[in-house]
Amino acid sequence: EAGVAQSPRYKIIEKRQSVAFWCNPISGHATLYWYQQILGQGPKLLIQFQNNGVVDDSQLPKDRFSAERLKGVDSTLKIQPAKLEDSAVYLCASSLERTGLAKNIQYFGAGTRLSVL
Amino acid sequence: AQKVTQAQTEISVVEKEDVTLDCVYETRDTTYYLFWYKQPPSGELVFLIRRNSFDEQNEISGRYSWNFQKSTSSFNFTITASQVVDSAVYFCALSNYNQGGKLIFGQGTELSVKP
Repeated sequence: EAGVAQSPRYKIIEKRQSVAFWCNPISGHATLYWYQQILGQGPKLLIQFQNNGVVDDSQLPKDRFSAERLKGVDSTLKIQPAKLEDSAVYLCASSLERTGLAKNIQYFGAGTRLSVL
Repeated sequence: AQKVTQAQTEISVVEKEDVTLDCVYETRDTTYYLFWYKQPPSGELVFLIRRNSFDEQNEISGRYSWNFQKSTSSFNFTITASQVVDSAVYFCALSNYNQGGKLIFGQGTELSVKP
């Protein structure tokens, strides 16, 4: 079974530029998550989708970050414009079930490492 | 408040030593789940174990064992006879029943196993 796919693996941009990350979850997984992991810290949830609907985006900086999950499969996360403090690894995860989400095992991709100069 | 604390930032051991990674959590919910994930240098987080708040049985899986104690809000992880391949960052995480699956992670413990 293929895992969660993310691209690109690395991205270097200058502040105020735009950037987009792509995630393809495990086939059949209903729930998709985007996390931000700053160096030396644990991942922090940015946004959670169930199929193509948003479940939780309370920690997404909506003035610069946006995300979508068209057709309930792939997802893209965009930052526009980027700031220095956005330098981090952006992890995508997916889980199978649509209900009882608290117990779901989340499967993670390898992440995209973003450096903002 | 919901919070996970991993007080050990880095641990270094010599191969074949036993090592315990500490995890303390805070939550107001009575129903929750606790997880351990491993993050090797390749970057992806690998699921290791899940426990629910009503099951305090300790668990052993090969060289890994977990000690869950609600009285002290702790969920510690022990690796017996550590190996170089165990070197990674280990994260403890909390998921509350009424928060829709959101994982709250600790800061992580970087384990280095030297030959």
